Amino acid sequence: KAGVTQTPRYLIKTRGQQVTLSCSPISGHRSVSWYQQTPGQGLQFLFEYFSETQRNKGNFPGRFSGRQFSNSRSEMNVSTLELGDSALYLCASSLQGDPETQYFGPGTRLLVL
Amino acid sequence: GESVGLHLPTLSVQEGDNSIINCAYSNSASDYFIWYKQESGKGPQFIIDIRSNMDKRQGQRVTVLLNKTVKHLSLQIAATQPGDSAVYFCAETYNNAGNMLTFGGGTRLMVKP
Repeated sequence: KAGVTQTPRYLIKTRGQQVTLSCSPISGHRSVSWYQQTPGQGLQFLFEYFSETQRNKGNFPGRFSGRQFSNSRSEMNVSTLELGDSALYLCASSLQGDPETQYFGPGTRLLVL
Repeated sequence: GESVGLHLPTLSVQEGDNSIINCAYSNSASDYFIWYKQESGKGPQFIIDIRSNMDKRQGQRVTVLLNKTVKHLSLQIAATQPGDSAVYFCAETYNNAGNMLTFGGGTRLMVKP
């Protein structure tokens, strides 16, 4: 079956702009989590959505937000982009929020100029 | 805050040798640990997991050891192959945290032919 898909795969934005990233989970998976990966900070948890509700949230400013739709697809939004937001944004889906069934997508690489 | 860390950023081994990748964690409440492999251009891939009520778990060519006394876990790869070259991450979570994983900094494994 198809894995987790993320669009777009690459994105270039300028400071102050906003960006929306999309994640389509594996069919049947109801939980979607987002992570930010940078060389300096490594992999950091952003938030998790389950049944259209945010269930957990990491330590990121309010500029980072997300949502989940009824078909479990998820989007994350970053407003007022900063240079430090340049990163690989990873989405992962699981059946019901259980990490042992979690699969990661290939990520969206965001470059902020 | 508490986080999971790694001792060695880069590990170089000869093809056919065994590899050992180490990880230290500081959250005594953590009760579930996962090792991930991340190849270039891809998201992390689940390798093996272990719960805190176990000391050792074996998979195909991989073994994870957990020492709760010193809050340390390790990943052993037997007969390392060129295809094992990647960055390896340990991650931890605890009951009720769902997919809110805390990742270590990562170790790059390089396999020399």
